[in-house]
Amino acid sequence: SQELEQSPQSLIVQEGKNLTINCTSSKTLYGLYWYKQKYGEGLIFLMMLQKGGEEKSHEKITAKLDEKKQQSSLHITASQPSHAGIYLCGAAKPSGGSNYKLTFGKGTLLTVNP
Amino acid sequence: DADVTQTPRNRITKTGKRIMLECSQTKGHDRMYWYRQDPGLGLRLIYYSFDVKDINKGEISDGYSVSRQAQAKFSLSLESAIPNQTALYFCAVGGGREQYFGPGTRLTVT
Repeated sequence: SQELEQSPQSLIVQEGKNLTINCTSSKTLYGLYWYKQKYGEGLIFLMMLQKGGEEKSHEKITAKLDEKKQQSSLHITASQPSHAGIYLCGAAKPSGGSNYKLTFGKGTLLTVNP
Repeated sequence: DADVTQTPRNRITKTGKRIMLECSQTKGHDRMYWYRQDPGLGLRLIYYSFDVKDINKGEISDGYSVSRQAQAKFSLSLESAIPNQTALYFCAVGGGREQYFGPGTRLTVT
């Protein structure tokens, strides 16, 4: 089965600093999803990457899927307290036709100190 | 996402009771999923459905059952709840390259 490892598990940064979260897969990624979750709340869809080398941005958050399609990085520029939360990556596994199911990493807890 | 709703949002029940969690969506997507989230274990897939006539077991389906009543409704049942089913449960819906989650149901089994 596909496993996703996120690093770091937790991260504390000062407001205004840049940061990077990594998501590494044990198998080739067919699609990689990034979500943000406030503690105990629902997951907010950030973006989905599918092609090797693809890069997408959502406000000050940028994610990239590497060329070999086994790793994705999520970069936050000039972090703000509103960026605090748990970031989860999910790997899409094809399940016939255009259908798929997701396997998730365990998340990275981000704290941004003002 | 307000287009995916879950009821109830919180529930406390006793061991052995039957309980149903409901999920509704207004996005018109065919794919629906149930996950549970536990501290340290992340999100795990319980059941998923790609259309009304399609039901599939996920990685942790034991002790759970589901019903896809319509394209927009997907219910998760615990036939006889046990304490280790205490968790945060999420419904998700998928269309195209996107997958959206509901707000979650916090279930406590005492």
